[in-house]
Amino acid sequence: EAGVTQFPSHSVIEKGQTVTLRCDPISGHDNLYWYRRVMGKEIKFLLHFVKESKQDESGMPNNRFLAERTGGTYSTLKVQPAELEDSGVYFCASSQDGWYGLNYGYTFGSGTRLTVV
Amino acid sequence: SQQGEEDPQALSIQEGENATMNCSYKTSINNLQWYRQNSGRGLVHLILIRSNEREKHSGRLRVTLDTSKKSSSLLITASRAADTASYFCATAAQRSASKIIFGSGTRLSIRP
Repeated sequence: EAGVTQFPSHSVIEKGQTVTLRCDPISGHDNLYWYRRVMGKEIKFLLHFVKESKQDESGMPNNRFLAERTGGTYSTLKVQPAELEDSGVYFCASSQDGWYGLNYGYTFGSGTRLTVV
Repeated sequence: SQQGEEDPQALSIQEGENATMNCSYKTSINNLQWYRQNSGRGLVHLILIRSNEREKHSGRLRVTLDTSKKSSSLLITASRAADTASYFCATAAQRSASKIIFGSGTRLSIRP
């Protein structure tokens, strides 16, 4: 079974540019989560999809961030325009259902390291 | 606001020694999970302890939970170079939890 896959693994962009991160969850997992770790600080929750619907987007920092999950399969996280403080590692996780992840742990991808210069 | 806070922020020990990391949290929880992040890699789930458990073992890992103090500890015995990583605790709140909340992590370095 393929794990959670994130693309790209690294991205270096200039301030003001647009970047799109992609996450492919484990097949059949309805729940998809985005987290990020900025400046080596704590890992912060961004949002949670159930299929194609945004269940919880309370962690999205501002309207420069747009997450989509059309069709309920893979998800994209677009940052437009990127700012210096967006640099960090963006993680994606999936679980077959919300209960399972909460009670048995989540499967995370390898993350995308975003550097804004 | 962050839920979990790890202590210490950084820890450097000799290979073969034991490493202990602590996590404190604020709200009542359903369970507490520990994850590891190796440099340049993703988060790996290590172990989960439920609120009605006090201690749990998995290989060289030992986790304790004290709900009265809202704290947990992760012990890694007989450390190896491959244990060098950042370790995070994450909590699932007791009521209407839909996600886990991470702490700030402990950076563990194992010296050869």
